[in-house]
Amino acid sequence: NAGVTQTPKFQVLKTGQSMTLQCAQDMNHNSMYWYRQDPGMGLRLIYYSASEGTTDKGEVPNGYNVSRLNKREFSLRLESAAPSQTSVYFCASSGGLDTQYFGPGTRLTVL
Amino acid sequence: SQELEQSPQSLIVQEGKNLTINCTSSKTLYGLYWYKQKYGEGLIFLMMLQKGGEEKSHEKITAKLDEKKQQSSLHITASQPSHAGIYLCGAPRGSGSARQLTFGSGTQLTVLP
Repeated sequence: NAGVTQTPKFQVLKTGQSMTLQCAQDMNHNSMYWYRQDPGMGLRLIYYSASEGTTDKGEVPNGYNVSRLNKREFSLRLESAAPSQTSVYFCASSGGLDTQYFGPGTRLTVL
Repeated sequence: SQELEQSPQSLIVQEGKNLTINCTSSKTLYGLYWYKQKYGEGLIFLMMLQKGGEEKSHEKITAKLDEKKQQSSLHITASQPSHAGIYLCGAPRGSGSARQLTFGSGTQLTVLP
């Protein structure tokens, strides 16, 4: 099993450009999450999906949209990237209230 | 909202030494997760604690949740270079069918050979 996979691993954008971060899990988990990690601030939840077909805002949702495409896949979209969105993005999944398992992350730089 | 404070922020120890990392919550903890992160990689799950007074061990790492459920400690015995990385504590918040986690800002551990 690959666990949680994320693409791309690295990305550089110019201000105003858009992009979609992809996440997939092969553990048959119901819940999926998107976090961002910034120096000195730990991980902060952007959006989560408790189950296929549902999505909810986390702590820092502004400037992002998500799509729970199916049970396996959960994508994060930046419609108009800003320098403040430079960060490392992590996707995670869990069987509901169980332990969350994380992907390797996407390093995004917005110039 | 619940806040988690980790101490120390960074730690440098000589190989073979013991060390402790603390995670303190501003509210009662209803569960506490410990993760380890190596630079440039994702988070690796270490342990989860749920009950006050609970203690779990895996290899040379022991985690405890105090009786009052507002603090957890992670203790490493006889540290090795492989223990180096960032240790993060996370606690569930909110209700519902998904477990939203709040994380501390992390403790960076360096183990000198």
